[in-house]
Amino acid sequence: EDQVTQSPEALRLQEGESSSLNCSYTVSGLRGLFWYRQDPGKGPEFLFTLYSAGEEKEKERLKATLTKKESFLHITAPKPEDSATYLCAVQARGATNKLIFGTGTLLAVQP
Amino acid sequence: GAVVSQHPSWVICKSGTSVKIECRSLDFQATTMFWYRQFPKQSLMLMATSNEGSKATYEQGVEKDKFLINHASLTLSTLTVTSAHPEDSSFYICSAPLVTGDTQYFGPGTRLTVL
Repeated sequence: EDQVTQSPEALRLQEGESSSLNCSYTVSGLRGLFWYRQDPGKGPEFLFTLYSAGEEKEKERLKATLTKKESFLHITAPKPEDSATYLCAVQARGATNKLIFGTGTLLAVQP
Repeated sequence: GAVVSQHPSWVICKSGTSVKIECRSLDFQATTMFWYRQFPKQSLMLMATSNEGSKATYEQGVEKDKFLINHASLTLSTLTVTSAHPEDSSFYICSAPLVTGDTQYFGPGTRLTVL
């Protein structure tokens, strides 16, 4: 069964304190792995798509990496405005677009 | 990125009534759109896939007669919650890919509260 597990469930950082969020996945042939940011009461905002092991993508203070079993979202020198829930989702080959989401990591960055 | 809108952003209704939620792709056409439901402190669960010109595909456990989906055009999908009950209260979110099979872009969500 395709599955996504994110850790930690919650993370509290001081402003400027770098860290990483983990997304472990089990899927019958990965088509793509997606990272989204979700603010309270809003829909997910797209961050990155990764397609193959070894791939990396960066955007401002965020960097996403992918291996055959997991993905990391690295946050460098976070700011309070980075506080949000970060969601990871996978799409299996032949799954006709279906996304399987993890339960997310709630990040709080304190000034 | 692509822009997806939803209307209304929130709705309160009485038990037994029906509620329609619209999902629009604003700057692109989408032959496929997706409807998700999210309960408090939980992640997104796919309810159904909306297909322009054909019937929607529902996930296991989702009642198709209760959650009616109509993909009226290449930019509009609607979800109607029929005979809503308090347990249907949730955050409903739609999404659409720019390219079929690729990254999905999400709408802002609709908060449904059934009294």
